[in-house]
Amino acid sequence: DTEVTQTPKHLVMGMTNKKSLKCEQHMGHRAMYWYKQKAKKPPELMFVYSYEKLSINESVPSRFSPECPNSSLLNLHLHALQPEDSALYLCASSRRQVPGNQPQHFGDGTRLSIL
Amino acid sequence: SQQGEEDPQALSIQEGENATMNCSYKTSINNLQWYRQNSGRGLVHLILIRSNEREKHSGRLRVTLDTSKKSSSLLITASRAADTASYFCATERSNYQLIWGAGTKLIIKP
Repeated sequence: DTEVTQTPKHLVMGMTNKKSLKCEQHMGHRAMYWYKQKAKKPPELMFVYSYEKLSINESVPSRFSPECPNSSLLNLHLHALQPEDSALYLCASSRRQVPGNQPQHFGDGTRLSIL
Repeated sequence: SQQGEEDPQALSIQEGENATMNCSYKTSINNLQWYRQNSGRGLVHLILIRSNEREKHSGRLRVTLDTSKKSSSLLITASRAADTASYFCATERSNYQLIWGAGTKLIIKP
């Protein structure tokens, strides 16, 4: 069992659908991350939230919209996705973004398929 | 962006043997971290070694860091079937972002 919980585990959606991915942690971490991972590749950073504020946006297309409603929750809202967006979406958290030297704790991800 | 490079890309060994994976990077770092990922699962943090450290141990894991060569190695001793996974190195830059290596796929044969 991981300490970062992601739901749903699997999601299949059409290109016109709107859906959301959810991530929750109760470790008191104040930095939370969204990554995208394609098969046999390393994770690619999408967004970082630090103290519930967006800290880093790695030039992600606007069809991905992150939200951090409180220190325990992180959402990723999806709209009008493309087939190439099919991937494993990973959420992670760490005690703080700054200063560094802190490991990240990952959830098991949401496997997203775009039809 | 990807800074780290890992070798080998894939490694297959017999159970009980030692496994060594290498990671190289290009710019100065705060630390270097190793993560394991089992098939279809999230990443699990294994070890973090700071830029002023040269070696670190955790159970059957031994990590070395050579900042002059910008390289690190992960040694897993007495491998077990459960060690079968992909292993990623990640370097933390001065802006606190992690840059990931391409990963090494390790297969332990019974």
